[in-house]
Amino acid sequence: QSALTQPHSVSGSPGQSVTISCTGAGRDVGDYNYVSWYQQHPGKAPKLLIYDVSKRPSGVPDRFSGSKSGNTASLTISGLQADDETDYYCSSYTGSFVLFGGGTKLTVL
Amino acid sequence: QVQLQESGPGLEKPSQTLSLTCTVSGGSISSGSYYWNWIRQPAGKGLEWIGRIHTSGNTNYNPSLTGRVTISVDTSKNHFSLKMTSVTAADTAVYYCARSTTGTTAGNVWGQGTLVTVSA
Repeated sequence: QSALTQPHSVSGSPGQSVTISCTGAGRDVGDYNYVSWYQQHPGKAPKLLIYDVSKRPSGVPDRFSGSKSGNTASLTISGLQADDETDYYCSSYTGSFVLFGGGTKLTVL
Repeated sequence: QVQLQESGPGLEKPSQTLSLTCTVSGGSISSGSYYWNWIRQPAGKGLEWIGRIHTSGNTNYNPSLTGRVTISVDTSKNHFSLKMTSVTAADTAVYYCARSTTGTTAGNVWGQGTLVTVSA
């Protein structure tokens, strides 16, 4: 099963909002409400931002939000900050295993 | 607060078996209902979920790696392990262990990762 499709890069200015998409092609995003989003700074382990499409773990700011429509999930980051500039990955449960997207680099202009 | 720490040889020869351990501190690996995951990331590339074992002992693996990977738990040592057979240079990556409370995500508690290089 191929990786979920994410844009290679997105950008936005401080204070603005950006949205990162994550598109599935099989028994993944469209079939389950089990999309997660992770933030990964260089040299660090990923950090869970969103799970089950739109739920935030304790401690994650509400600037980060998730949604889904059909076979495409989205992560929206509002009130962009300099520290948001890094890599973001989506994942989806497929019924038996977890499938990741290829990752998106966010640049804060 | 639970913490995870990966350990294992940083260098493995092609065709050999890679063995990694994830030691759990701050909690018992056998209590509660958790999924203990392995994920890897080649340098400059994306994440790949390898597999997981549940507190109950049930395992799931990435279909692309099925047959090469085994994940097990040693409750006496409070750690879980990854064994990957017949490694090649394509298996060179940073390997992460992680704990998830649901089976639908890779993890909300991660180790710092350990680099494994496959080279003769």
